[in-house]
Amino acid sequence: RKEVEQDPGPFNVPEGATVAFNCTYSNSASQSFFWYRQDCRKEPKLLMSVYSSGNEDGRFTAQLNRASQYISLLIRDSKLSDSATYLCVGETDSWGKLQFGAGTQVVVTP
Amino acid sequence: EAGVTQFPSHSVIEKGQTVTLRCDPISGHDNLYWYRRVMGKEIKFLLHFVKESKQDESGMPNNRFLAERTGGTYSTLKVQPAELEDSGVYFCASSQEGRESRNTEAFFGQGTRLTVV
Repeated sequence: RKEVEQDPGPFNVPEGATVAFNCTYSNSASQSFFWYRQDCRKEPKLLMSVYSSGNEDGRFTAQLNRASQYISLLIRDSKLSDSATYLCVGETDSWGKLQFGAGTQVVVTP
Repeated sequence: EAGVTQFPSHSVIEKGQTVTLRCDPISGHDNLYWYRRVMGKEIKFLLHFVKESKQDESGMPNNRFLAERTGGTYSTLKVQPAELEDSGVYFCASSQEGRESRNTEAFFGQGTRLTVV
């Protein structure tokens, strides 16, 4: 079983709509979680951190549920530029070692 | 400010050859990480340097992989001899803080795409 599991998608989303997806993690010792965004053939870039009960940044809302060991990401008012692969990432030690999910692909269509 | 830079961006080598990947972290970042993504799989941790010291090399696949960070600046990852299964994208990342770095963002380089034929 993978440490961080994500639905690979793709999630096809009309422009302006809302999309939400989850990831689950098995390492209960993980303290910090992040959503990274990766465009095709580019490097992962931090989208937002998820530390405790959740985090909101503009159109993006991330929620952490420790009891059920899942993290969600919601994107409101989707833009064409939101098309990317979203990586769910857990920090597994205090030195910043990251554990990645395989990513969820989002495709926003006009 | 320059980001994390990796060289080369692409490398195609024959099985059995040697390849050396280089990573220049953001200036002043003590933490340097190597990750790898093989086709169809998730990005996986290889190792972590704090300055010039290896903090964690638990993700290194085998002894064909050798990472160095002399002087605590840039790092190299050498694969010798390369095998077909070593193909993938090798990412380097750096971050600023040492211990208790939970709030410090890791910045990634654009990666080196290695193809072993």
